[in-house]
Amino acid sequence: KQEVTQIPAALSVPEGENLVLNCSFTDSAIYNLQWFRQDPGKGLTSLLLIQSSQREQTSGRLNASLDKSSGRSTLYIAASQPGDSATYLCAAVDRGSTLGRLYFGRGTQLTVWP
Amino acid sequence: DVKVTQSSRYLVKRTGEKVFLECVQDMDHENMFWYRQDPGLGLRLIYFSYDVKMKEKGDIPEGYSVSREKKERFSLILESASTNQTSMYLCASSLRVISEVGREQYFGPGTRLTVT
Repeated sequence: KQEVTQIPAALSVPEGENLVLNCSFTDSAIYNLQWFRQDPGKGLTSLLLIQSSQREQTSGRLNASLDKSSGRSTLYIAASQPGDSATYLCAAVDRGSTLGRLYFGRGTQLTVWP
Repeated sequence: DVKVTQSSRYLVKRTGEKVFLECVQDMDHENMFWYRQDPGLGLRLIYFSYDVKMKEKGDIPEGYSVSREKKERFSLILESASTNQTSMYLCASSLRVISEVGREQYFGPGTRLTVT
């Protein structure tokens, strides 16, 4: 069974810093890895999806990388802003699942203060 | 834009009641999922469905059932609600594509259920 771990569990930084959120998974045979954002009391918003054949994806100030051999993905946020404060979750779809089931990490709670 | 909607944002029910949570998606997705999210436990998969009338148990199906009579609608049923089912419930959908491409999951806004 795929296990997904996110470190750190919480992060607090001043506005303007570049930061890295880490995600690791135990089984490297994945179809893709997806990063989500969740605001308090709300649903999940998809940020980036990296397919297994890709090494990175970019969207605005966000860049996600994938290293299947080491079982790791990172989400890089450039020039952080208070509006980036949220919980960030990563999730993997492994090749054992033909139905697209996601395995989630527990998230990193990010606070960006002015 | 993909849209996944859930019937209620907040719901309060009494112990023993039968509870229906509804989820509707408008993108003709084959796969639909129900998760619950609790502090310290993260998201846990309850049930998922890959076609009309088809369902698979997730990690924590006990105390729940599901119904998928139409492709766009996936219902979660709490047969006899208990206080330990107080939680945030999230529905999601995705395409069922047998390839490396796709399978991005889209989530609804969630239903905060309180059982008293």
